[in-house]
Amino acid sequence: AQTVTQSQPEMSVQEAETVTLSCTYDTSESDYYLFWYKQPPSRQMILVIRQEAYKQQNATENRFSVNFQKAAKSFSLKISDSQLGDAAMYFCAYRSAVAGYALNFGKGTSLLVTP
Amino acid sequence: DTGVSQNPRHKITKRGQNVTFRCDPISEHNRLYWYRQTLGQGPEFLTYFQNEAQLEKSRLLSDRFSAERPKGSFSTLEIQRTEQGDSAMYLCASSLRTAGTGELFFGEGSRLTVL
Repeated sequence: AQTVTQSQPEMSVQEAETVTLSCTYDTSESDYYLFWYKQPPSRQMILVIRQEAYKQQNATENRFSVNFQKAAKSFSLKISDSQLGDAAMYFCAYRSAVAGYALNFGKGTSLLVTP
Repeated sequence: DTGVSQNPRHKITKRGQNVTFRCDPISEHNRLYWYRQTLGQGPEFLTYFQNEAQLEKSRLLSDRFSAERPKGSFSTLEIQRTEQGDSAMYLCASSLRTAGTGELFFGEGSRLTVL
């Protein structure tokens, strides 16, 4: 089974600054999808950004961008111009393109945004 | 509210009792997923439905767990003879049948506490 590792249990960033959350994964597959989900306190999880493994171009969604390094099996999330509303748990997730529909999540990184 | 709805939001029960959770997905979504999330962990996949068919089950779904999705609309997750280890947040998500990176929309979850 594919494993997703988030090595930073907690991160802190000041408002308006940039922060990068790390994610690595283990797979023998060549075709797959990667996601970052955000889970605010006591609220539902929402999709932040997604990346298809066959695309070399890194995905970008407004202030959120990823650094996808397929050979290194690394998928980091960069949040620019951090806002107080960015404070949440962030989960990296992997989904196979050929075997099943389950998302495999990492343990998450808790992001604190300070004024 | 047109999001994914889960009920009850919180259930406290005694060990050995049966509990049932309900999930109402977004109306046009034909895919429905159940995940379990314990403290400090990312969500773990339990099972997946496409319309009324249960297409995938995790080995985490022991024989005490059963999920249904009659008529391909709402879904129920029943846990029989609950154990303290069943205490967790049970998350439901739904999506449209689209290739690859179909976004999952999560509900706010049903928290189970087994005393």
